[in-house]
Amino acid sequence: DAGVIQSPRHEVTEMGQEVTLRCKPISGHDYLFWYRQTMMRGLELLIYFNNNVPIDDSGMPEDRFSAKMPNASFSTLKIQPSEPRDSAVYFCASSLAFGGYEQYFGPGTRLTVT
Amino acid sequence: DAKTTQPNSMESNEEEPVHLPCNHSTISGTDYIHWYRQLPSQGPEYVIHGLTSNVNNRMASLAIAEDRKSSTLILHRATLRDAAVYYCILYGDYGGSQGNLIFGKGTKLSVKP
Repeated sequence: DAGVIQSPRHEVTEMGQEVTLRCKPISGHDYLFWYRQTMMRGLELLIYFNNNVPIDDSGMPEDRFSAKMPNASFSTLKIQPSEPRDSAVYFCASSLAFGGYEQYFGPGTRLTVT
Repeated sequence: DAKTTQPNSMESNEEEPVHLPCNHSTISGTDYIHWYRQLPSQGPEYVIHGLTSNVNNRMASLAIAEDRKSSTLILHRATLRDAAVYYCILYGDYGGSQGNLIFGKGTKLSVKP
């Protein structure tokens, strides 16, 4: 398997624009996680899905952020409208199950909002 | 609301053992202890995890205190490639809340040749 795939790897956009980040989890993994990493706050969990259903989105910073998982092999994280403070590295991860199973992380998307 | 506490940084010499501590005094009975590491410009990478007993794999060993309120990641012979940020997290086996899964800022390990 190719591992968790994220696209784009880098995104530069202007404030106010819509940004869509994409993730393809490892085949057969039932859980998908979206994280955000900044120097100030470290690595934070935003939302996670089980079998394509959002389970806990309490980490999503505000209504400008939304995440979907239309099928088992694809998820998106959308920011609309984007703001400079959204600049961060966004990671997607997947795992077979919760707790006793490791998470596999993608390479991340570095987002810069000017 | 950090669930685990780790030192901000540690230093080690190459080919010497490294013990990375983690405190998790509020751990619950269903929480697994996971360790991940992150090399520069890469995503986090799984290292090891355990529930109650000590664990060994090809990368490291995990020593868990009897009361489970602390654990130690052991790298038996540090190499320059082990220089990374190491995260200790609690990962509950209940699937309903992300009350744990807090990575925080981890321990930055430097390895000197």
